[in-house]
Amino acid sequence: QVQLLESGPGLVKPSETLSLTCTVSGDSISSGHDFWGWIRQPPGKGLEWIGSIYYSGSTHYSLSLESRVTIDLDTPRNQFSLRLTSVTAADTAVYYCARRAIIVGSSGHVIDIWGRGTLVTVSS
Amino acid sequence: EIMMTQSPATLSVSPGERATLSCRASQSVNTRLAWYQQKPGQAPRLLIYETSTRATGIPARFSGSGSGSGTEFTLTISSLQSEDFAVYYCQQYHIWPLPFGGGTKVEIK
Repeated sequence: QVQLLESGPGLVKPSETLSLTCTVSGDSISSGHDFWGWIRQPPGKGLEWIGSIYYSGSTHYSLSLESRVTIDLDTPRNQFSLRLTSVTAADTAVYYCARRAIIVGSSGHVIDIWGRGTLVTVSS
Repeated sequence: EIMMTQSPATLSVSPGERATLSCRASQSVNTRLAWYQQKPGQAPRLLIYETSTRATGIPARFSGSGSGSGTEFTLTISSLQSEDFAVYYCQQYHIWPLPFGGGTKVEIK
């Protein structure tokens, strides 16, 4: 059973860098089949896609965040990470990591597995 | 960038009734459209993908359809159960980036 678990500081100061890690179990991030990515949800609001990374290291980011966001792989630890620089209060959200996979009957990669999410608050 | 628009924002339905949720893409996403259900305090759960394929374990009362244009999609819940009251999101996975719709909250009438 594939499981994803987010970890990282729950509180970040304005203008600093938010850093989160997603630990994957039950699947290998270097298997070459899946994308790994991040989604966030501000309190009381909808889902916002942040970006994804493929096993090769190729990345795709939200146009509104791409100047501040980096997603990396750590294949020996079977983890991937999110870095978001110059944060403000608007970056306060629950951050989810997720797997995108080709599942039976799909013609493309679908988000099929989500982590439980971790709340990150930006405040001094 | 493709924009995903969901309507209505809130849908009030009585248990046992049918709910119809809409999702529109600003350009064709072919059949690459998924629906997710989110309950308070939980991560989203995949319901439907490839416009109309139910994910593993999803009851048959959930169904998805598309207009054929690749821009208009519908999620139907045929007979709402108490556990179906939640927020539903659509997402296209055809062209980068991969935005979600704004969501439809299905509430008890």
